[in-house]
Amino acid sequence: QKEVEQNSGPLSVPEGAIASLNCTYSDRGSQSFFWYRQYSGKSPELIMSIYSNGDKEDGRFTAQLNKASQYVSLLIRDSQPSDSATYLCAVKPAGNYGQNFVFGPGTRLSVLP
Amino acid sequence: GAGVSQSPSNKVTEKGKDVELRCDPISGHTALYWYRQSLGQGLEFLIYFQGNSAPDKSGLPSDRFSAERTGGSVSTLTIQRTQQEDSAVYLCASSLAPVSGNTIYFGEGSWLTVV
Repeated sequence: QKEVEQNSGPLSVPEGAIASLNCTYSDRGSQSFFWYRQYSGKSPELIMSIYSNGDKEDGRFTAQLNKASQYVSLLIRDSQPSDSATYLCAVKPAGNYGQNFVFGPGTRLSVLP
Repeated sequence: GAGVSQSPSNKVTEKGKDVELRCDPISGHTALYWYRQSLGQGLEFLIYFQGNSAPDKSGLPSDRFSAERTGGSVSTLTIQRTQQEDSAVYLCASSLAPVSGNTIYFGEGSWLTVV
């Protein structure tokens, strides 16, 4: 069973702070990693993708990947109330499950004004 | 189309009735996925289609659930004899060929309420 785990939260941070969201996965052979944001009552939307170890930055968002530790994180700098949402980590496993994206349960982020 | 299109956006049905949910993927996307999300819960994989290959049905929760994809494009998810626990939002997503690096894009979902 391929698993992706996240802390369900809620994670509360003050406006302007850095929010750190974490995700671990079980399939060591996984190659592709994604972060989705889901506002209440809306469908998930892609924020970041990362495939190589290290950091990838896009505006206020930084994704970090450590395949040895099977760990991927998302940092949100200068957090805004509009960032309040559930953040889903998705992993594309290798092998027979290669077709399927496995989603974590999501971490609910609340940015307090 | 510009994005993944799903219909109906909302459906209220009586317990025991059958429902059909439709998904029109992004043009050119060969992979199509159905997920289910109950209130406050994570995404539950249901079924996956890729081109003309046999679909991966490993996530379908019971034999009341079925899906088809005609002509490699539009997909229909059918739930027979609906139960109250079927109430959820049903999300369709599509992607280019499922090689590493291709991500999936979601439709707005079909909200199903079984009363």
